Amino acid sequence: SAVISQKPSRDICQRGTSLTIQCQVDSQVTMMFWYRQQPGQSLTLIATANQGSEATYESGFVIDKFPISRPNLTFSTLTVSNMSPEDSSIYLCSVEVAGGSKQYFGPGTRLTVT
Amino acid sequence: GENVEQHPSTLSVQEGDSAVIKCTYSDSASNYFPWYKQELGKGPQLIIDIRSNVGEKKDQRIAVTLNKTAKHFSLHITETQPEDSAVYFCAASMGSSGDKLTFGTGTRLAVRP
Repeated sequence: SAVISQKPSRDICQRGTSLTIQCQVDSQVTMMFWYRQQPGQSLTLIATANQGSEATYESGFVIDKFPISRPNLTFSTLTVSNMSPEDSSIYLCSVEVAGGSKQYFGPGTRLTVT
Repeated sequence: GENVEQHPSTLSVQEGDSAVIKCTYSDSASNYFPWYKQELGKGPQLIIDIRSNVGEKKDQRIAVTLNKTAKHFSLHITETQPEDSAVYFCAASMGSSGDKLTFGTGTRLAVRP
C-alpha cells in the first residue's frame, strides 16, 4: 500500500477565490488521480496525473477550472479556481500501486465555498 | 463507458448477522473489481479486490464473489461488528495501469449492537 497525505484537511473559502490542494505520497508512484466527492455522493474522477506529462481530464472537467501539477513521483497539486458554492465537496487524491488499477486514497480535503 | 450500479443504498443488520452488497457493471471488458470502505470524515479504504480470472476471494470476515457471465459481483461480510458500520463502494476497471475506476453509488451499512 502507500501512505498518502493531503493538505489542507479542510478549508472554508469565499466564492471567486482559488484553493490549491497538495497530495504527498511516501513512495514513488507513476499514476496519481484526483477525485471529487460531493456531499453524500459517490466518487467522480476529475483527472489522471501521470508524472512527466499533462494531466488527462474527464468529461465535464477542464484545466482552466482544475489545473493540476505533477512535478515529481511523490507529489501533486490540484487547484480549484474561481470557486463557487457548487464546488463545495471533498477532494481526494489517489495513487496506483503495483500497477493493475489498484488505487489507494488519501484522507481528502473538505472544501466549503461560501 | 462503464456504468456500475450498486444495491442496496442502505442496509441495517444486527451485530453478528451477515451483510451482502451487490454491484452490476455494463462493460464486459472490465477485469478488476475493488471494494472500498469509507468511514465518516475519512478517505476510502481498499478492503478487498478481485480480478476476472478468479470467482471468489476471501479475507477473514469479508469475501467477494464475481460472476463475469452475469456481470455482477458482491461483497459479503460475515459476523458483522459495529465497527463495520460505514459506506461501502464497489468499483470496476479494465484492470491495466492507469485505467480509471468507475464507482458505484455506495451502500450505507449500519450494524446495530
